[in-house]
Amino acid sequence: QSALTQPRSVSGSPGQSVTISCTGTSSDVGGSNYVSWYQHHPGKAPKLMIYDVNKRPSGVPDRFSGSKSGNTASLTISGLQAEDEADYYCCSYVGTYVFGTGTKVTVL
Amino acid sequence: QVLLLQSGAEVKKPGSSVKVSCKTSGDTLNSYTISWVRQAPGQGLEWMGRIIPVFGTTKYAKKFQGRVMITADESTSTVYMELASLGSEDTAVYYCAGRRDVGYFYMDVWGKGTTVTVSS
Repeated sequence: QSALTQPRSVSGSPGQSVTISCTGTSSDVGGSNYVSWYQHHPGKAPKLMIYDVNKRPSGVPDRFSGSKSGNTASLTISGLQAEDEADYYCCSYVGTYVFGTGTKVTVL
Repeated sequence: QVLLLQSGAEVKKPGSSVKVSCKTSGDTLNSYTISWVRQAPGQGLEWMGRIIPVFGTTKYAKKFQGRVMITADESTSTVYMELASLGSEDTAVYYCAGRRDVGYFYMDVWGKGTTVTVSS
């Protein structure tokens, strides 16, 4: 199963919004209600930010939101903050898991 | 909140095998679905497989089928991931990750990772 496609990098100034896309096929993203997003700071364990396409775990700020349209899922970070600078990975479950290629978010 | 405690770094020769452990602390292993995810240097996250200890069932990514085995020891609340026929491309940080209960398809608790280096 091929990795889902994400932009290599996105950037924004503090307070701005950024959106990360995650493109797959009808066999993964398009056919799954189980898309999740993970934040990964280098040297640390990944952290769950969004699950089931658009649900936020407790403790995750509400400026993180998820959505899906067709074969593309998206993660939006509103009101960008310095601590949001990290790598972000989408993940789809359809019997097995497949991760996205990862996106580096830079806060300018 | 459960902790996933992973074993220490390993250095292995090409062609050998490695076995990494992941012990649950603060909750019973049987309550969890545990996956293994790895990240090679400069690469992204890659799911390898998972085990549901209460059912004893495993599922592996096609890429690793025949080369990886995930097992669980309920008596010690520990999950193991053994990867055989190691090559330099298996040099990576290996994470165990899980979710309490079955029927949930995401990973909300993660170990800190185990570095495996394959070098002659």
